[in-house]
Amino acid sequence: GAVVSQHPSRVICKSGTSVKIECRSLDFQATTMFWYRQFPKQSLMLMATSNEGSKATYEQGVEKDKFLINHASLTLSTLTVTSAHPEDSSFYICSARVETLLNTEAFFGQGTRLTVV
Amino acid sequence: DQQVKQNSPSLSVQEGRISILNCDYTNSMFDYFLWYKKYPAEGPTFLISISSIKDKNEDGRFTVFLNKSAKHLSLHIVPSQPGDSAVYFCAASALTDTGRRALTFGSGTRLQVQP
Repeated sequence: GAVVSQHPSRVICKSGTSVKIECRSLDFQATTMFWYRQFPKQSLMLMATSNEGSKATYEQGVEKDKFLINHASLTLSTLTVTSAHPEDSSFYICSARVETLLNTEAFFGQGTRLTVV
Repeated sequence: DQQVKQNSPSLSVQEGRISILNCDYTNSMFDYFLWYKKYPAEGPTFLISISSIKDKNEDGRFTVFLNKSAKHLSLHIVPSQPGDSAVYFCAASALTDTGRRALTFGSGTRLQVQP
């Protein structure tokens, strides 16, 4: 299957600082990438859809000024958590959409465990 | 309002037996369904999918069944192996009026296969 690489896998930062998470499609071009967040023992919640060359589409309740998404190329999307607070501590996962002739499949990065202290 | 539900948070089966994981959905616009397997602190990995035009898709030990009238799908793993122990997420996809297609996930079922 397609490979999506997410970096870093784990980050600890101080409250008030910003953290950037990268998501790369390694062997295909992804015009659309998705960013999810997972709280402990809960499901993956879609935060935003990242479109190459245009603004991201945020889900209801997600602060676009806090979670900055940039999809500057067909292989890279970044999520920047600005002015991080302890409540932003979570597991963040990106995915890239792959269009096939019949359907759409999504392949996921390894995830980033963010801890804000 | 949960559009995709996995009502069993956990399931335990013996090695060699069949594992059946269930998923229900409410949105009739969903037309593509996927199952993902997830280990702790890792991203989900794709297992198997099914289009709404089919009622069964098989790939090795994994079979997904779709019952559109009941808005229900299930994942069968047979025979189950200890390495199958993980959290399994059901996901559904629909094309929106903006042309977007994202995934809506269930809450997951933790499968434990006992040796």
